Amino acid sequence: DQQVKQNSPSLSVQEGRISILNCDYTNSMFDYFLWYKKYPAEGPTFLISISSIKDKNEDGRFTVFLNKSAKHLSLHIVPSQPGDSAVYFCAAVWSGGSNYKLTFGKGTLLTVNP
Amino acid sequence: NAGVTQTPKFRVLKTGQSMTLLCAQDMNHEYMYWYRQDPGMGLRLIHYSVGEGTTAKGEVPDGYNVSRLKKQNFLLGLESAAPSQTSVYFCASKGVNTGELFFGEGSRLTVL
Repeated sequence: DQQVKQNSPSLSVQEGRISILNCDYTNSMFDYFLWYKKYPAEGPTFLISISSIKDKNEDGRFTVFLNKSAKHLSLHIVPSQPGDSAVYFCAAVWSGGSNYKLTFGKGTLLTVNP
Repeated sequence: NAGVTQTPKFRVLKTGQSMTLLCAQDMNHEYMYWYRQDPGMGLRLIHYSVGEGTTAKGEVPDGYNVSRLKKQNFLLGLESAAPSQTSVYFCASKGVNTGELFFGEGSRLTVL
């Protein structure tokens, strides 16, 4: 039973355009959400996060939107660059628990074409 | 400041052999984790630790054991390796006052 779902295994966009990566979750206890980026043969690196008390968080070209009623979040990358080509993982956690455990989605492979 | 370091980076085992993966972090983090990544499966939590001397099971703990004897180290053991344990293993750590996990570069394990 997947609690965090990334339904698009891959996404291809043109350089300079917007990339939108989507993530859905089922566990209403989740209150903190993170996006990680992973290049081949490297470990995941933290990109951006959002708390459930917010509906938007922005960091440079990256913006994460949270729709709690729909249990949906999305990562927007504008403008997309070829160096953004990587696998993006969505993750969620219940930050109030004593055992802090991230649950990851299966990832979306983003390809940005020059 | 190396962050999270995993050794070895690559290993090939035969079915039934045992081995230990070592994770070391130099950030004085309380929490440490072991994940495995398989094609199409994302990152799945094997075991984790919320502090020195503690361990707990994650989503896919069977066939693995862990120990956290020192705060900076988290060991993942395979007592009798199986082909189903062929995977890339990632260690991660987290401080008490941060939300994100910091990952190592991964250890690729192949069990023949």
